[in-house]
Amino acid sequence: DQQVKQNSPSLSVQEGRISILNCDYTNSMFDYFLWYKKYPAEGPTFLISISSIKDKNEDGRFTVFLNKSAKHLSLHIVPSQPGDSAVYFCAAFAYSGAGSYQLTFGKGTKLSVIP
Amino acid sequence: DTEVTQTPKHLVMGMTNKKSLKCEQHMGHRAMYWYKQKAKKPPELMFVYSYEKLSINESVPSRFSPECPNSSLLNLHLHALQPEDSALYLCASSLRERSYEQYFGPGTRLTVT
Repeated sequence: DQQVKQNSPSLSVQEGRISILNCDYTNSMFDYFLWYKKYPAEGPTFLISISSIKDKNEDGRFTVFLNKSAKHLSLHIVPSQPGDSAVYFCAAFAYSGAGSYQLTFGKGTKLSVIP
Repeated sequence: DTEVTQTPKHLVMGMTNKKSLKCEQHMGHRAMYWYKQKAKKPPELMFVYSYEKLSINESVPSRFSPECPNSSLLNLHLHALQPEDSALYLCASSLRERSYEQYFGPGTRLTVT
């Protein structure tokens, strides 16, 4: 049962335009949502996060939007640059009782920014 | 220093070999993690160490043996692996175990022949 879903395996965007990466989740108990960026042969790099009590978080060219009623979040990159070409993983973090927690990753979306 | 380092970058080993993967961070993080990532799949959690003690073992086979000698180092000892264990092994760290922001190393690409 996949709790975090990235339904688009790949996305191509022209340089300078907006990139929108989408993520859906099924567990309403997630406390934080995160986006990681991964280049080939490197580990995932933390990009931006959002608390479940917020609906928007912005950091430079990156903005994450959270729609709790739809259980949907998206990452907007504006303007897109060729260096943004990478695989983007959506992840969700939940604290649960008795001190336990889980960090669940989606399968990733490969973004290609065309010069 | 916001870096997690891992050695070696690549490792090829036979099914009868014993080898170790190493991970190091100097960010003062007290939680460290091992993940396994197969091609085109998300990272899967294997182990969590919190304050140098094993906190979570996600039912990983005993041929994988983690070790945390001190707060900056994390090892993964490998013995009698199978070809299906070939994957990218990622180390990560976070300020504390329940911190959601994890910093990943570049990974060790392991091939078992």
